[in-house]
Amino acid sequence: GDSVTQMEGPVTLSEEAFLTINCTYTATGYPSLFWYVQYPGEGLQLLLKATKADDKGSNKGFEATYRKETTSFHLEKGSVQVSDSAVYFCALSAQAGTALIFGKGTTLSVSS
Amino acid sequence: GAVVSQHPSWVICKSGTSVKIECRSLDFQATTMFWYRQFPKQSLMLMATSNEGSKATYEQGVEKDKFLINHASLTLSTLTVTSAHPEDSSFYICSATTSGGSTDTQYFGPGTRLTVL
Repeated sequence: GDSVTQMEGPVTLSEEAFLTINCTYTATGYPSLFWYVQYPGEGLQLLLKATKADDKGSNKGFEATYRKETTSFHLEKGSVQVSDSAVYFCALSAQAGTALIFGKGTTLSVSS
Repeated sequence: GAVVSQHPSWVICKSGTSVKIECRSLDFQATTMFWYRQFPKQSLMLMATSNEGSKATYEQGVEKDKFLINHASLTLSTLTVTSAHPEDSSFYICSATTSGGSTDTQYFGPGTRLTVL
């Protein structure tokens, strides 16, 4: 079945460092891909999404490009801030209106 | 943007009692709502898919008689954990999709932390 694999954490960075969180997926067809963020004590928030190959999702300085050839959707940010400390989930949706399949989540900790 | 609320945000109950969790879409109509469960430091696992006016579809391994789901209107779905036991302690999260169109963005509630003593 469909699945999402993302890099194990935790990821610990200093402020202004470059961030990459790897995410690969397995799916039949052409899923939509998402990154969600969960701040401590809060629910999931949609960070960005891409619905077709070569689309780039971006938000708050974060970017991810839908790469069909490598079945990947890696999350990147050029300069992280302490406020970016959170758990990041990669997810896919096989088709519109269906439940999301999540990766295990990657904890990011940014220190000043 | 679309907002989904959950109530209560946290609940502590005694073993053997039932607990009801509400999930509401505040500013949009949601024909489909999903219920997930999240264990500490783990990912979200889908429990069931709830469609307005019809019976919920449960994932394999989820007891439908224990986790009762009702989707009575386009803005409200409820999850009732019946005869709760300590192993049911978890973080329960709902999400909702906007009705119609081709969008597949899900909006998540803030979650309900259930602790069963």
